[in-house]
Amino acid sequence: DAGVIQSPRHEVTEMGQEVTLRCKPISGHDYLFWYRQTMMRGLELLIYFNNNVPIDDSGMPEDRFSAKMPNASFSTLKIQPSEPRDSAVYFCASSLLPWTDPTATNEKLFFGSGTQLSVL
Amino acid sequence: KQEVTQIPAALSVPEGENLVLNCSFTDSAIYNLQWFRQDPGKGLTSLLLIQSSQREQTSGRLNASLDKSSGRSTLYIAASQPGDSATYLCAVISGGSYIPTFGRGTSLIVHP
Repeated sequence: DAGVIQSPRHEVTEMGQEVTLRCKPISGHDYLFWYRQTMMRGLELLIYFNNNVPIDDSGMPEDRFSAKMPNASFSTLKIQPSEPRDSAVYFCASSLLPWTDPTATNEKLFFGSGTQLSVL
Repeated sequence: KQEVTQIPAALSVPEGENLVLNCSFTDSAIYNLQWFRQDPGKGLTSLLLIQSSQREQTSGRLNASLDKSSGRSTLYIAASQPGDSATYLCAVISGGSYIPTFGRGTSLIVHP
């Protein structure tokens, strides 16, 4: 498996423009997470899905942010309109099993390479 | 709300040293804890995962321990090498939640 695939790797846009980040999780993984990483705040969870259903979006900073998972192999994170303070690295991650399974031995979280977003 | 703290924030050591990275968490009711490595400009790579019922896990020169009652985990790196230079993050998954909470990481530089 090629791992978690994110696109684009880099995105430079102007304030006010719409930005769409894409993620393809590892095949068969039930959980998909979107994280944002900045120097100031570290790694923050934005939203996560279980079987394509959004479970917790309390980390989404504003209504300008939205995420979808139309099928098991694809998710998008959209920012509209974008602002300079949205500049960060956005990571997508996926995992196979519920974290709470104490007997599982492969509950690891797998990350994509991230999208470096710069909003000018 | 679970909070994860990593100390030190940065560390610079000469090659060959044994070193310990620390991770502490405020809510001891965790399911498991995972250590990650992040290279500059790259994503996170899983190193070790410790279930709440376990005390330690080992992989090569890495050893991670977990003390749930005190809310602590340590990552021990033996005989450090320049290739170990990276940021190391720990993440905990707390009771009642499927959400991994990350620490800010320890930035490690191993110089020749």
